[in-house]
Amino acid sequence: EAGVAQSPRYKIIEKRQSVAFWCNPISGHATLYWYQQILGQGPKLLIQFQNNGVVDDSQLPKDRFSAERLKGVDSTLKIQPAKLEDSAVYLCASSLDRGHSGNTIYFGEGSWLTVV
Amino acid sequence: KNEVEQSPQNLTAQEGEFITINCSYSVGISALHWLQQHPGGGIVSLFMLSSGKKKHGRLIATINIQEKHSSLHITASHPRDSAVYICAVRSNFGNEKLTFGTGTRLTIIP
Repeated sequence: EAGVAQSPRYKIIEKRQSVAFWCNPISGHATLYWYQQILGQGPKLLIQFQNNGVVDDSQLPKDRFSAERLKGVDSTLKIQPAKLEDSAVYLCASSLDRGHSGNTIYFGEGSWLTVV
Repeated sequence: KNEVEQSPQNLTAQEGEFITINCSYSVGISALHWLQQHPGGGIVSLFMLSSGKKKHGRLIATINIQEKHSSLHITASHPRDSAVYICAVRSNFGNEKLTFGTGTRLTIIP
């Protein structure tokens, strides 16, 4: 079974530039998550999708971050304009369905962003 | 106070030692996850628990729902076990989101 795919793995940009990350979840997984993990901290949920609808985006800095999952499959996360404090690993994860405590969550390898 | 607290933050041990990492949480949960993160890599799910104990190879995870506490044990530790171990809890209300601890950095010295 293919895992959660993310790209690019690494990106270095200057502040005020824009960047986009792509995620393809495991086939059939309805729930997709984007997390931000700053060095030395645990992951923080940015946005959670259920199919192509947003379940939780309360911690997404909407003035600069946006995410979409138009067809309910793959997703993109965009940052525009980037700030130095956005340097982090952006993790995509998926699970079969939310609301079921028996579902394992699967993570991608992460996209490492450095803003200089 | 964080909803999920892990201890210790850092742990260095000799190869072969028995390792224990602890996780305490303050919210009602439907499940608790133990995750492993290698440097430069993504996160791998080790266990998902809602009660009792689970074992996989040299790894054992236990949970005490009444005490809101879980432990991850590694027997006969090996340098390849060196990683960050993260505890995450799934809340039992609302959108059942995952809340993560800050992780325990484990280093096993040969």
